[in-house]
Amino acid sequence: GQSLEQPSEVTAVEGAIVQINCTYQTSGFYGLSWYQQHDGGAPTFLSYNALDGLEETGRFSSFLSRSDSYGYLLLQELQMKDSASYFCGSGGGNKLTFGTGTQLKVEL
Amino acid sequence: DTGVSQDPRHKITKRGQNVTFRCDPISEHNRLYWYRQTLGQGPEFLTYFQNEAQLEKSRLLSDRFSAERPKGSFSTLEIQRTEQGDSAMYLCASSLAIRADTGELFFGEGSRLTVL
Repeated sequence: GQSLEQPSEVTAVEGAIVQINCTYQTSGFYGLSWYQQHDGGAPTFLSYNALDGLEETGRFSSFLSRSDSYGYLLLQELQMKDSASYFCGSGGGNKLTFGTGTQLKVEL
Repeated sequence: DTGVSQDPRHKITKRGQNVTFRCDPISEHNRLYWYRQTLGQGPEFLTYFQNEAQLEKSRLLSDRFSAERPKGSFSTLEIQRTEQGDSAMYLCASSLAIRADTGELFFGEGSRLTVL
């Protein structure tokens, strides 16, 4: 089985940088995905790390350390529209198992 | 491409009634997934199809739940004898099998079920 743990809530100010952590325990690991979900909306894919290291996509970056069973999503130059829930997910191949989710609140 | 669409978006039913949700995936996607999400939680895997074959079903899934994808295109999820604990958002997602290892799923906006 798989379990992924995230902080439940993070608050940051507009323009700042925020890091959302994800620790996992899996019987088989295929990489770590990140999704964003606004209230009432569909989860939307942000990034995927198959290997250790940093992946950068615009203002968002994601990091993975397989040896530490740990990853994070880094959001830079925060904007009000980044207020949403963020989920890490693992699985690959067949299905994704998602973490508990982190609600990000961006304040002025 | 209109993305993944789900119908109905909202369903209110009385306990004991049957409900059915429909999902139309992105047309060229051969994989289709059903997830359930409750407030403040991440999506929970229910089942997935590759083409018309149902390849995996969650052990947590009661036998009151059944899903089909008869022609490998749209899918239906039926819940029989609904219970209040079935109240949740039911999310459908699709993907291409050859890109399964990228961890990228395309989700619909979900069907919200409320059981009174």
